[in-house]
Amino acid sequence: QSALTQPRSVSGSPGQSVTISCTGTSSDVGGYKYVSWYQQHPGKAPKLMIYDVTKRPSGVPDRFSGSKSGNTASLTISGLQAEDEADYYCCSYAGSYTYVFGAGTKVTVL
Amino acid sequence: QVQLVQSGAEVKKPGASVKVSCKASGYAFASYGVSWVRQAPGLGLEWMGWISAHNGNTNYAQKFQDRVTMTTDTSTSTAYMDLRSLRSDDTAVYYCARDRYSSGGGDYWGQGTLITVSS
Repeated sequence: QSALTQPRSVSGSPGQSVTISCTGTSSDVGGYKYVSWYQQHPGKAPKLMIYDVTKRPSGVPDRFSGSKSGNTASLTISGLQAEDEADYYCCSYAGSYTYVFGAGTKVTVL
Repeated sequence: QVQLVQSGAEVKKPGASVKVSCKASGYAFASYGVSWVRQAPGLGLEWMGWISAHNGNTNYAQKFQDRVTMTTDTSTSTAYMDLRSLRSDDTAVYYCARDRYSSGGGDYWGQGTLITVSS
């Protein structure tokens, strides 16, 4: 199972919006409504930001939103803040009770 | 509060085995699955597998199918991940996570356990 494709980096100024793409195939992203997104600060454990494509766990700001079209899922961060600077990983169900992560995207707040 | 506390860092020689523990507290352990995810130095997250704390059912990534065993002990609310035939490229931080939403990872994570494989 190959890692899902994400851009290596994206950047934006405080207050702007950034969108991170996550491209897979019809066997993973495109085939199921089970895409999640994780935020990871350096040296820390990942944090769940989005699950089931669009749902936010309790406590996650509504500045974070998810969507999916075909084989590509997206995470949008609106009103970018300094603390949003981190690595972001998508994860998709890949059938047969297995999952696959994306390669990760570094978000830089300019 | 929900907490997952993992065992400490270890150094292993190639060919050896390692068993990482993940002790849960603050929730009904048997009501959720536990995911295991690893991260090699400077690299991304890699899904290793999942275990039901309710009945012990497991699902492993094909890459680890023949080298990993995940178990749970409901009497101590602890999950274990046993990885055999270690190679240098198994050097990584290994994480456990409570899988509430079937998200591949989880909503609560352990602090991570660094396993270094070196001769």
